[in-house]
Order: sequence, then C-alpha cells, then structure tokens
Amino acid sequence: AQSVTQPDIHITVSEGASLELRCNYSYGATPYLFWYVQSPGQGLQLLLKYFSGDTLVQGIKGFEAEFKRSQSSFNLRKPSVHWSDAAEYFCAVGLYSTLTFGKGTMLLVSP
Amino acid sequence: GAGVSQTPSNKVTEKGKYVELRCDPISGHTALYWYRQSLGQGPEFLIYFQGTGAADDSGLPNDRFFAVRPEGSVSTLKIQRTERGDSAVYLCASSLNSGSTDTQYFGPGTRLTVL
Repeated sequence: AQSVTQPDIHITVSEGASLELRCNYSYGATPYLFWYVQSPGQGLQLLLKYFSGDTLVQGIKGFEAEFKRSQSSFNLRKPSVHWSDAAEYFCAVGLYSTLTFGKGTMLLVSP
Repeated sequence: GAGVSQTPSNKVTEKGKYVELRCDPISGHTALYWYRQSLGQGPEFLIYFQGTGAADDSGLPNDRFFAVRPEGSVSTLKIQRTERGDSAVYLCASSLNSGSTDTQYFGPGTRLTVL
C-alpha cells in the first residue's frame, strides 16, 4: 500500500526567507503526486501536481516542487515566504482515483 | 463559479445518535469523494462515487457508515449509532471525472463532534 511521510510537524520561517517542506512517499509504481494547502476554516486547495515529464513543477502562489525518483521525494519550495503563506500543507499520492495524504506540516511565519 | 459546499458546517450530536452530512459538488462533476480528517492527521479516504454508484467504498471504517448519491449530484454521508471516535472533520471533494489525474476540489468540511 502506498504511504506518504511528512517528517516535519511544524516549521517556522521568517517572512522573506526561503521555504522547503519535505515529502517522502512509498509507492510501487510511478506516482501521481500533489501538494495541497489548508488554511483555517478553508477547504484544501491544490498548489501543484506531478504526473510525468519535467520533474520540476510550478504551482500557484509562487510554489514549486521537485520530484526525485531516486529519493522517493517530492519537496515543496518557495523562494520568499509571505505572512499569508502561514497554513497547513499536505503532500498526497494519487492511486487510481483516491488520494493518500501525509499528516501535514504546519507552517508558521515570523515577522 | 460555485465551489463544493457542505452542510452543516458544524454538527454536535450525542453518542448513539444518527447523523447525515450533505455535500453539493461542483456542477458537472461526475466524481465525488468523501474523506475524514481527524485532529492532527491528514485526510483519509472513505468512499468515492462515479455518477450514482459507489466505485470504491474500501475506506469506510465499518457498517455504521453509509453514503448515497441517488441522482449523481448531491451526496449524503450517513453515520448510525455515532461513537466519540467518529468526531472529525468530514471533507467532500469533486472532480470532473474519476481519473487519477483529475484535480479534486475540496469543500470546507463538516466538523462533527460526538459527545
């Protein structure tokens, strides 16, 4: 069965600093990979997704992620964090039509 | 356009009671999904529909949980004899089709509290 690990429960980043959120997956075949963001009281919003092709994918709000097959990773990055990026971030693997999510990483942004 | 909506936004019930949670998907989306998110966890898959039929219900935890989508649009998740462990946020999502590459759009969720 597939699984997703997000090793960091919380991360605090200064506003304007760069960000990297880690995601590792366990899956037997080429995975479909997703990053979602969840703000308080809001539904999950898709940031970006990877299916095939270029391993560096661009998403909304200035986020990008890189698929590394050799490391079974799909880390999320942003060069300069804004206070409005404070939220919980979920990595997910797609299997057929369902998603398996990690436990999430809570991003805190300090002034 | 309108996104996925869920009602009620909050539901408080007593142990042993029956509850229904409703999901209105994005118009025209044929696939509808239910997930459950417990405190401190990521969402966990429960069931998904393609049209009116349940295509995969492998995530339903036991037979107290049931979901329907009679006309291929609105769906209702039904929980019988609720238990305190059922307390969670229940998320609904819809997608245009049910392929692995179709983006799932999530609603804001229903927070269920079982006292």
